[in-house]
Amino acid sequence: DVKVTQSSRYLVKRTGEKVFLECVQDMDHENMFWYRQDPGLGLRLIYFSYDVKMKEKGDIPEGYSVSREKKERFSLILESASTNQTSMYLCASSLSDRGYEQYFGPGTRLTVT
Amino acid sequence: AQSVTQPDIHITVSEGASLELRCNYSYGATPYLFWYVQSPGQGLQLLLKYFSGDTLVQGIKGFEAEFKRSQSSFNLRKPSVHWSDAAEYFCAVGVRGNKLVFGAGTILRVKS
Repeated sequence: DVKVTQSSRYLVKRTGEKVFLECVQDMDHENMFWYRQDPGLGLRLIYFSYDVKMKEKGDIPEGYSVSREKKERFSLILESASTNQTSMYLCASSLSDRGYEQYFGPGTRLTVT
Repeated sequence: AQSVTQPDIHITVSEGASLELRCNYSYGATPYLFWYVQSPGQGLQLLLKYFSGDTLVQGIKGFEAEFKRSQSSFNLRKPSVHWSDAAEYFCAVGVRGNKLVFGAGTILRVKS
């Protein structure tokens, strides 16, 4: 079974802090994604990576950056956390030739106070 | 622009009753369509997908969905709901570059 793990289930940070969310997948998937999930809005794509060191902006990249130094690991970085970044963050991965069939991690619920 | 609409935010059904969750999409080309399920405290899991061919597709856990091009719909159905089906369900359309555009989700409650 594909496994996607996220470093924390719950995280509380203060406004202005730099926040790192880590995601690791164990099935050698080329694609990795970071989504934000908010009630009534569904999932919105923040960033996407299709290979090591490659990244592409999603629909809501403002205030976020990403890093992919190894194939299995994809990090989401909040340079200066703000209260409007309080949300559930989901990581996903997929094979390059089955990109829409994404495997999701359990999510990190981030609260910024 | 591509979009997905799930008109029902919450749906409550009795255990053993049939279920239909609605999904409408807006996409210029032939769509790739998906249903994902999120159980409480977990990530999303792919239930089923439509790429082409037979417009009635079968998925896991006894779910099926029907693609209707004329109505721009991809509704999810199950003939008999189990308590373990209580979850949030997301419809999605695949767009260029292996990306998914999701609907807002429908929360299913099952009453015994």
